[in-house]
Amino acid sequence: EVQLVESGGGLVKPGGSLRLSCATSGLAFRYYTMNWVRQAPGKGLEWVSSISDSGHHIYYADSVKGRFTISRDNANNSLYLQMNSLRAEDTAVYYCAREIGGSSSDYWGQGTLVTVSS
Amino acid sequence: DIQMTQSPSSLSASVGDRVTITCRASQNINNYLNWYQQKPGKAPKLLISAASTLQSGVPSRFSGSGSGTDFTLTISSLQPEDFATYYCQQTYSTLRTFGHGTKVEIK
Repeated sequence: EVQLVESGGGLVKPGGSLRLSCATSGLAFRYYTMNWVRQAPGKGLEWVSSISDSGHHIYYADSVKGRFTISRDNANNSLYLQMNSLRAEDTAVYYCAREIGGSSSDYWGQGTLVTVSS
Repeated sequence: DIQMTQSPSSLSASVGDRVTITCRASQNINNYLNWYQQKPGKAPKLLISAASTLQSGVPSRFSGSGSGTDFTLTISSLQPEDFATYYCQQTYSTLRTFGHGTKVEIK
């Protein structure tokens, strides 16, 4: 059975940091690009970041570049998102997702809520 | 960045109706276009990849078409379980972008 389970969300003050984790099983993690996608309350989906299977190719949305860092541990089938200098506009549910064929995301986690507020 | 413009932003339809949602890219993306369905409180579900490839297990009433900059998602006969929000996504660029979504509501 395929599972992606995000954790690490919570309430943080503006300027603070959080580290999200995505623990996976059953999806051959080491062979696939992984993505983080977020959704602000009542809003649409926003792609945040991608990391290639090897970890050598990393991309970020302009809105988080320089503040967020994506990483992965293929030995432990886990994906991470280090979020620094958090802003109110980073408040969202954060999803991890597997990307297949270099293009579409077929498996998604259930999401973890990050709330940035004083 | 490549901008994705979806229309309409919302629509009301009845069970059995044919529904069409369009997505326009700000530049040529060949067929690097996906469609997702999302229901409240749930993660998105991949419906169609590469503009027209139906994912396994997705009902055949869903279809996708288009190439270049203009794309369409069609639901041939709307069913009660299809009321949801639909998003297009381009993956031509390494900076992936989504459309703003189309909410399909019950008339």
